[in-house]
Amino acid sequence: QSALTQPASVSGSPGQSITISCTGTSSDVGRYSSVSWYQHHTGKAPKLMVYDDNKRPSGVPNRFSGSKSGNTASLTISGLQPEDEADYYCCSYTGSSPLYVFGTGTKVTVL
Amino acid sequence: QVQLVESGGGVVQPGRSLRLSCAASGFTFSSYSMHWVRQAPGKGLEWVAVIPYAGDNKYYTDSVKGRFSISRDNSKNTLFLQMNSLRTEDTAVYYCARDRGGMGAADYWGQGTLVTVSS
Repeated sequence: QSALTQPASVSGSPGQSITISCTGTSSDVGRYSSVSWYQHHTGKAPKLMVYDDNKRPSGVPNRFSGSKSGNTASLTISGLQPEDEADYYCCSYTGSSPLYVFGTGTKVTVL
Repeated sequence: QVQLVESGGGVVQPGRSLRLSCAASGFTFSSYSMHWVRQAPGKGLEWVAVIPYAGDNKYYTDSVKGRFSISRDNSKNTLFLQMNSLRTEDTAVYYCARDRGGMGAADYWGQGTLVTVSS
């Protein structure tokens, strides 16, 4: 089971919208409504931003939204803020070994 | 509030063992599955293992099967990762994380503990 594929980097200006893609297969992303997204600032604990493809935990700003089409999930950040600059990882349940697989990670830069 | 605090990391020689601990507080530990996730230097996150709330049906990523063992002590609100036959490629920050339930998203994470495998 290979890591899910994400773009290495995405950038945008404050206030803009950006989208991070996460491509898997019909055995993981395409099969289960289980994609989660994590924000990771260096040296800090990762933070859950989206779960079950498109649900947002309480406390996460509504400018973060998740979606999925086929084998590709996406995280959209609307109204980009300086504090959104971080690494972002997607993750999917696979039902096989390994039970979970992370994406390759995307560095978001706020210009 | 939910807190997860990892400990037990350090420098160890290849082939040796190390046991990581994760002390949980602020929630009913015995009601949640728990994960270990690691991040090697300069690399992305990698899922390592998961243990259900009852401690049965443990799962591991292929590269650690037969070498690592996840366990828990619900009476002490503590999660463990016993790491044997360590390899240089096991060098990473190891995070424990709480499973929110359902399809397995990790809703709370610790700050991590660094394991360095080097001769």
